[in-house]
Amino acid sequence: DTAVSQTPKYLVTQMGNDKSIKCEQNLGHDTMYWYKQDSKKFLKIMFSYNNKELIINETVPNRFSPKSPDKAHLNLHINSLELGDSAVYFCASSQTGSGLLNTEAFFGQGTRLTVV
Amino acid sequence: QQQVKQSPQSLIVQKGGIPIINCAYENTAFDYFPWYQQFPGKGPALLIAIRPDVSEKKEGRFTISFNKSAKQFSLHIMDSQPGDSATYFCAASKGSSNTGKLIFGQGTTLQVKP
Repeated sequence: DTAVSQTPKYLVTQMGNDKSIKCEQNLGHDTMYWYKQDSKKFLKIMFSYNNKELIINETVPNRFSPKSPDKAHLNLHINSLELGDSAVYFCASSQTGSGLLNTEAFFGQGTRLTVV
Repeated sequence: QQQVKQSPQSLIVQKGGIPIINCAYENTAFDYFPWYQQFPGKGPALLIAIRPDVSEKKEGRFTISFNKSAKQFSLHIMDSQPGDSATYFCAASKGSSNTGKLIFGQGTTLQVKP
């Protein structure tokens, strides 16, 4: 029973293409995230959705568009892919909420995107 | 602006040694400090976390030491094993916010030699 699952695990594509990464969590969490891990392993948040609403957008190019059809799903669509987009993208989820202390963030296995 | 600074970048110890990884933060509003462990090809997984109302937390062989006045915290791994070889990330967040946003350190690659 995978808690946070994302597909695909590997994605190789040419510059200029459009691609999507899908994420689903079965933990009942109210918040989902996309993080980017670069070649030096640095992890940086890109987006956060709370109950399907975008609450964090960290200066990410508008070629990246997250979509949350429901609380359990957060997809990432990337238009006009560039070489510099090559990285590992992680989906994560946690339970947050006003007045509550945040709990553990669970991460998916990652999607290794290679743009050639 | 790097809000969480982690050192060292890499660490090699012998089996049974006690690797120590250090982190420093800038934002005094942070009130949740987790450590994540990541194996190659896997996502980060929570190892242990601390809130600033305590100075130390221990779970099994892993201990977090927290110094609120110095804005520093560290991870100690007692009796390290080759299976502990992984990349370790410290992180910080405003635990009482509704965003859950984690600010990560740069990561430390640990190798435990048999």
